[in-house]
Amino acid sequence: GAVVSQHPSWVICKSGTSVKIECRSLDFQATTMFWYRQFPKQSLMLMATSNEGSKATYEQGVEKDKFLINHASLTLSTLTVTSAHPEDSSFYICSAREAGARNQPQHFGDGTRLSIL
Amino acid sequence: ILNVEQSPQSLHVQEGDSTNFTCSFPSSNFYALHWYRWETAKSPEALFVMTLNGDEKKKGRISATLNTKEGYSYLYIKGSQPEDSATYLCAFEGGGNKLTFGTGTQLKVEL
Repeated sequence: GAVVSQHPSWVICKSGTSVKIECRSLDFQATTMFWYRQFPKQSLMLMATSNEGSKATYEQGVEKDKFLINHASLTLSTLTVTSAHPEDSSFYICSAREAGARNQPQHFGDGTRLSIL
Repeated sequence: ILNVEQSPQSLHVQEGDSTNFTCSFPSSNFYALHWYRWETAKSPEALFVMTLNGDEKKKGRISATLNTKEGYSYLYIKGSQPEDSATYLCAFEGGGNKLTFGTGTQLKVEL
C-alpha cells in the first residue's frame, strides 16, 4: 500500500520550455503533498507544501511564479517549471502523506530528472 | 535554518559485518525523526518514524534508537547483506509538518 507515482521520470528539453511533473497517490488520499529538489551531493530540499484545494506554501527562496504547483484533487499534485533554464536542471521528487497521518511517514515517488539544454 | 547532519558520509563494509550510522538534529521543537532507505533508481522507502525520547524500533536486521534531549538517532544494521546497499536518510520533523533531511549515509556492502 501507500504507493506514489511520479511522471515523467526523465525529461530533456530546450531552454524556455515549460515542463509539468505529475505526482499521484495511487491507493490513498493525500491532503498534503510535498515537492523537493536535490542538487548533486546535497540533501533533499523542500520547495513547497501542496494542500488540496488551496494555494501551495513555498519555502523561502523558491520562486512561486517559476515553480507552479496545483493540487486539484486528493490524489494528484502537479509541479510546472515555467520557462525552464539550464540552472533549473535538477532532480525533483514528490511525496505524499495520508490524511490525518501525522505520525506516519511521507511516501515518495521515484523522482524526475530534469535536464535543460 | 535547521541543521540535520549524518555521519559517516559513506561506508564500505563486508557481508556479515554489523554497522551503524548517526543522525544529529536540533533538540528543540522536536516532533518526529524519520529514517528512509533509498536505493538507486527507486523511491525512498520509509523505515521508521520515531517520536518519543528513548524509542527503539526494529525492522528485521535494522534497528534505530532516538535521543531527543541530546538530538541524535542511531541506525544499526546487523549482519549486513549486499541488498542493504543504499543511501540511508534521516529527516527531522518539527512543529510544521515539514521534513528537513540530512545528506545521507551511503552504504556499500561487499561480498
